[in-house]
Formats: sequence, structure tokens, C-alpha cells
Amino acid sequence: DGGITQSPKYLFRKEGQNVTLSCEQNLNHDAMYWYRQDPGQGLRLIYYSQIVNDFQKGDIAEGYSVSREKKESFPLTVTSAQKNPTAFYLCASSIRSEAFFGQGTRLTVV
Amino acid sequence: AQKITQTQPGMFVQEKEAVTLDCTYDTSDQSYGLFWYKQPSSGEMIFLIYQGSYDEQNATEGRYSLNFQKARKSANLVISASQLGDSAMYFCAMPGRGIQGAQKLVFGQGTRLTINP
Repeated sequence: DGGITQSPKYLFRKEGQNVTLSCEQNLNHDAMYWYRQDPGQGLRLIYYSQIVNDFQKGDIAEGYSVSREKKESFPLTVTSAQKNPTAFYLCASSIRSEAFFGQGTRLTVV
Repeated sequence: AQKITQTQPGMFVQEKEAVTLDCTYDTSDQSYGLFWYKQPSSGEMIFLIYQGSYDEQNATEGRYSLNFQKARKSANLVISASQLGDSAMYFCAMPGRGIQGAQKLVFGQGTRLTINP
């Protein structure tokens, strides 16, 4: 079945650590995105990528990094520079009239 | 730049009634599309329906339909015969162009729908 897979579903991070959230899709979509969602809030765009080896900063890119080495994969690293990383992270991919999301990763700093 | 506006932060509806969730948009593109998503308390974003700007008919998917009024730049979601399971956040979105023309998805602020028994 085609879809987007995010892992892990829950992630705990100690302060000062970098963590990487995985996002894989087998929908053959060109564009991929990372969003952050805080409780009761909307989606804020972190990074987006139209093609392999190219990506752009979204509205809240500081403290995050991404890579797009393969069409299917768009991992997000939350670095120690991100001062308030506790949030729900959603990955999405799209092409023309299709845009689907993964199930999300809930990151908590302990 | 594209912009989506959802003006209803919250709505309360009686079960079995129809409900309309508002979405207005702004774009200079001649060809564009609009998506609606449902986000239950579990957090996942569930794709509901898509409307293309050149589609001649309003999109429908089961109990979901779009009241697409191009001249007014509105794409309201209509849920017929609401059910308790429809209680969720609902987001309207459209593709936009970001840095170097790369596509990005632009979202509205969302509407929290609560269905009362």
C-alpha cells in the first residue's frame, strides 16, 4: 500500500541532544514537507523540498535541519539549538491534486 | 503569496445536522487546488476532499462536499448528517509557491468542530 511513514511515533529527547525524525513515502511524490504543531494550534512550516538535493526554509526553520538525498526520504533533525522542541511533528508529501500526511511524531524534551 | 483564512475557531452542532465550515483563500494563480483535512484528537491528518479551480462541478466525497465559489474565493466544506465521530479540527489548505518557486502547502488556522448528541 502506498503512503507516508513517520517514525518513531513518540520520541523523548534530553536537553542538548540532537534527534532525527524519519519520514518515508512510496507515493512517488516530488514535494515533501515538515510541519510543527503545538497544542491547540495550527500547522507551521519548518522545511519543504521540491526535488532531490534541494530544500527551502519554511517559517520556523531555526534549530532544525533536513536532507533530501532520495525522493522517498525527507528526515528532519531537531538540533540542540531549537530552544523549545516539544511539539507534534507532521510530515507530508504532495503531487498535483494529492497531498497526504504521515501519522506524526510526538517529541518531548525531558 | 497564497493565503488561507478560516474565520471560525470553533463550532458546535447537533448530531445529524448539516454543518458548513468556512474557508476563503487568496491567490494570483489561475490554476490552483484546495484541500480539506480532518484532524481528530489522535493527531493524524486525514485527507477529506480536493477541489481544482477548473473543475466544473463541486467536489463530493460521501458526506463531504465543497461549496466552491470561485468569484468569492471561497471553498466551504459541507458535512451532511453530522456524526459524533466528526468532532475534530478541520483545516483548509492550498498549494503555494515558496522560495525559488518550490511548492509548499499553505494552511488556514483551523476550525474545531464539536458534534453534540
